[in-house]
Amino acid sequence: GAVVSQHPSWVICKSGTSVKIECRSLDFQATTMFWYRQFPKQSLMLMATSNEGSKATYEQGVEKDKFLINHASLTLSTLTVTSAHPEDSSFYICSASGGQPNQPQHFGDGTRLSIL
Amino acid sequence: GQSLEQPSEVTAVEGAIVQINCTYQTSGFYGLSWYQQHDGGAPTFLSYNGLDGLEETGRFSSFLSRSDSYGYLLLQELQMKDSASYFCAAGGKLIFGQGTELSVKP
Repeated sequence: GAVVSQHPSWVICKSGTSVKIECRSLDFQATTMFWYRQFPKQSLMLMATSNEGSKATYEQGVEKDKFLINHASLTLSTLTVTSAHPEDSSFYICSASGGQPNQPQHFGDGTRLSIL
Repeated sequence: GQSLEQPSEVTAVEGAIVQINCTYQTSGFYGLSWYQQHDGGAPTFLSYNGLDGLEETGRFSSFLSRSDSYGYLLLQELQMKDSASYFCAAGGKLIFGQGTELSVKP
């Protein structure tokens, strides 16, 4: 089946640090990738849609200058949390699809980010 | 806007059958998906309905009625390992319901 790899799994860093999270589709071309954030006991909240070769589309309330997304190839999207603060601590998850609306999305294993 | 409603929690016993309902409002319907998520893990794809009717995958089945904007996930022969959160999701960019926490008791 389709595999999405997300790295790193865990990040613990000091406030003010920038953190980069990678999301790779290993066995298919992902024209579209999605980035979600999940707080404990809550649902997945869509942050942004990343399209290969174009700018990401951010959901309302998500700061695009704080959460930088790059989707430079059909197999890689990155999310950079810039100048992270404790309130950015969360579980970040990416997903990828082949771009067609009726294709299921496949999720990476998530990145647990803790900002001290 | 888009929204999906599902019960917040369900409790059942091993061997039983449980149904998790989902009603939705989305702009541009692209089918209803179901995901399972264990504590600390990432969502795992369970099932997808693009058309009305029932889709069966082992112990799990999913149903969709587009005219009613309604679907459900049916879990049969429940096992302890089925204790998890279950999410329905829909939309061209996948929007998730709030999740149903299923607790399976011995």
